[in-house]
Amino acid sequence: DAGVIQSPRHEVTEMGQEVTLRCKPISGHDYLFWYRQTMMRGLELLIYFNNNVPIDDSGMPEDRFSAKMPNASFSTLKIQPSEPRDSAVYFCASRQGTEKLFFGSGTQLSVL
Amino acid sequence: DQQVKQNSPSLSVQEGRISILNCDYTNSMFDYFLWYKKYPAEGPTFLISISSIKDKNEDGRFTVFLNKSAKHLSLHIVPSQPGDSAVYFCAASAIRSSGSARQLTFGSGTQLTVLP
Repeated sequence: DAGVIQSPRHEVTEMGQEVTLRCKPISGHDYLFWYRQTMMRGLELLIYFNNNVPIDDSGMPEDRFSAKMPNASFSTLKIQPSEPRDSAVYFCASRQGTEKLFFGSGTQLSVL
Repeated sequence: DQQVKQNSPSLSVQEGRISILNCDYTNSMFDYFLWYKKYPAEGPTFLISISSIKDKNEDGRFTVFLNKSAKHLSLHIVPSQPGDSAVYFCAASAIRSSGSARQLTFGSGTQLTVLP
């Protein structure tokens, strides 16, 4: 299995621009999670889906953030408009039935 | 308010010696704990876990200890190797009364450097 695949690996954008991060979970996994890693707060859960349905988005920082999962093999995290404080590493992770999460390699986002 | 705390942002250890990484939690409902390891430019990978019904779990050079009364767990690596140099995240989860899925709450991580 290829594991959880995220794209792009790096994204540099200017403040105010729309940013879209993409994730392909491991086939057969029914849970998908979006995390953000910062120096100050470590790994924060933003939102998670179960069978493509958003279950808990209480970690999404603002209305500028949105996430979708149109099918079992694809999810997006969108920031519109982006701000410098959104700069972080964004991880997607998936799992099936256990606590063991499998993470993608992350997207390093820099908002200038 | 951080429910899982790793108070040491970094730790340096000599190769061959023991590395001890610590983690404290505040939520008494947490009943399952995990350690993840993260190398630069990679996602975190699962390392070892422990259920609250145990106080120790061992896997090769890695041992996790759980002290429920102190709400504290630790990861011991013996002997430490240069390849163990990574960021280590502690994570915890609890059964949710709402019936929704367990979520992992992560600490902020500890950067371990094993010196040759």
